[in-house]
Amino acid sequence: LAKTTQPISMDSYEGQEVNITCSHNNIATNDYITWYQQFPSQGPRFIIQGYKTKVTNEVASLFIPADRKSSTLSLPRVSLSDTAVYYCLVARALTSGYSTLTFGKGTMLLVSP
Amino acid sequence: DSGVTQTPKHLITATGQRVTLRCSPRSGDLSVYWYQQSLDQGLQFLIQYYNGEERAKGNILERFSAQQFPDLHSELNLSSLELGDSALYFCASSRPGAQETQYFGPGTRLLVL
Repeated sequence: LAKTTQPISMDSYEGQEVNITCSHNNIATNDYITWYQQFPSQGPRFIIQGYKTKVTNEVASLFIPADRKSSTLSLPRVSLSDTAVYYCLVARALTSGYSTLTFGKGTMLLVSP
Repeated sequence: DSGVTQTPKHLITATGQRVTLRCSPRSGDLSVYWYQQSLDQGLQFLIQYYNGEERAKGNILERFSAQQFPDLHSELNLSSLELGDSALYFCASSRPGAQETQYFGPGTRLLVL
């Protein structure tokens, strides 16, 4: 599976928009880009997934350029409770119906008042 | 609440002992995944089961084993425990056809003394 690279940490203030960019240069045709959020001592939580262009849900937006070699998770108007580690993953949906997720180090987002 | 339950929440044991961690997936989910998270190794995929069968193996030690029962709950058995096995152990589940979207449980914190 494609290796992902994302910043180790980011700082922001409440009310700001935060964009976390992830690079995945070796992404394959049948790979999906998936983002998870993890709070300390809790399991990761699925945020959003996309294949190309833009995906938006109630929590975040995911922007994927045409070459799919990078993706950007956008969190609108962050709050203190958005302080967490954000993982970018490339997941392969196999025809046999299963895939595994490889978590990297993630990006530690710290939101300050 | 992801709908995935794990027991026990905390476990303290001694080196050389054996423990069993239990996981119940969300209703309708056929896949169960086990992960280990320690401070120095991050979130590591251990093993996946799908409808009772082993489907994928990650960085799982030979001292560790798992199984998924007919009612789809899963158990992770850790034996000959070492100090380095102290970690958070997460279970996740996913639906058929959506394997890349995993729902994580609250985890079991294992401390080996």
